[in-house]
Order: sequence, then C-alpha cells, then structure tokens
Amino acid sequence: DIQMTQSPSSLSASVGDRVTITCRASQGISNYLAWFQQKPGKAPKSLIYAASSLQSGVPSKFSGSGSGTDFTFTISSLQPEDFATYYCQQYNSYPLTFGGGTKVEIK
Amino acid sequence: EVQLLESGGGLVQPGGSLRLSCATSGFTFSSYAMSWVRQAPGKGLEWVSRINTNGGNTDYADSVKGRFTISRDNPKNTLYLQMNSLRAEDTAVYYCARGGLGQYNKYGLDVWGQGTTVTVSS
Repeated sequence: DIQMTQSPSSLSASVGDRVTITCRASQGISNYLAWFQQKPGKAPKSLIYAASSLQSGVPSKFSGSGSGTDFTFTISSLQPEDFATYYCQQYNSYPLTFGGGTKVEIK
Repeated sequence: EVQLLESGGGLVQPGGSLRLSCATSGFTFSSYAMSWVRQAPGKGLEWVSRINTNGGNTDYADSVKGRFTISRDNPKNTLYLQMNSLRAEDTAVYYCARGGLGQYNKYGLDVWGQGTTVTVSS
C-alpha cells in the first residue's frame, strides 16, 4: 500500500496569509494526487485533481504542484471560509489512500 | 446537477448487517467507477471499496475484505454496500464518491454524497 504523509497536521494562520501544505507518497504516483477540503459535519470537497488542476468552480486562490512522490498545496490568501481540514489522496493504485489531514485554524 | 444521496445507515449490534445505498442523478452513472469512503468519529478519511463501470471488478480495503460487498445497479443509477459481521471499529460516516483510479478518470473522487452514519454498538 502507498502511504501518504501530510504535514503539518495543523497550523494557525491569519486572514490574508499564504498557507502551504505538503504531502509525500511512499512511492511514485505520477501526478495522480488530489486535494480535498472538509468542513465540520460536511462531506469532503474535491479542490484539485492530477496534482495541479482545479476542479470546476474552485477559485484560483487554491493551487497544487508536484509529481512523483512530493506534492504541495497552497492557499494564496487565506479567507474566513477557508478554515477547514485539508486532505491529500493518491489515486494511482488501490487501495486509494489519504494523508492524515491538515487542520487550518484561525490565529 | 450531479448528486449522490446515501441512505441505509443506522444503529446495529456487533455482528449484525446493514445495506447502504447511494442514489445518483445528473450524470451517466454507468460510465463511472464508484467508491465508498468512510470517516470514523474524529478521524481521517479511509477508502473502503470501489467498483468498475459494469460491476465486474471490485476492490476492498483489507479492513473490510470478506465482510463488505460493493455492487451497483446501472439501470437504477444506484450503488450499494452490503456490510456483514459489523464491528465497533466500523462505526463511521460512510460516503459514496464518483471515481476511482487516475488511469481511467483523471478527475479522481470528484463528487461526494453527504454521507450516512453507521453506528455499531450493543
């Protein structure tokens, strides 16, 4: 199984800050890496697919990069509605696996 | 509008069974692989199972293999998860999601239902 290591597990940031989350796969996954946002009591929402492509309707303040084993997710200017937990996920092979999540909190 | 709507969750005793359903609309269901993902209380996301477009190929997480069965009814646009021999550790919100491997669909798990809660307790 491919292990996904996400860091940090939590962070505190202010409105307007630039936020970066990293995700490392235990083996190469090409660019089959997705990022999700989850708010309390809600289903996850897909933000990015194929490491760097935005899902339809997702604002451009979200971005992703990377290939192989190392990936990065960035929010360019944090807004109040962005406080949530973010997960990376590989879909290169079964079992599909998720990172442990990053909780983004208000400083 | 693409929609996924899960149902069938509830309280069940250890060793019991439940069948979850995921009714879909707004897209050509038979053209997409489908997955189930769960989230235990206060925990992260765990992929559970997937099924290919015609139902002839399935995969399971080791934690549910031999106890859970995924299936689909393409004319009814509905996905199922039959859960047997349930354990306390199966307690979670269960989500259905559209998609599977990237080699077949680059968009990944792009659409999710709202989830249905399964509680396994005596």
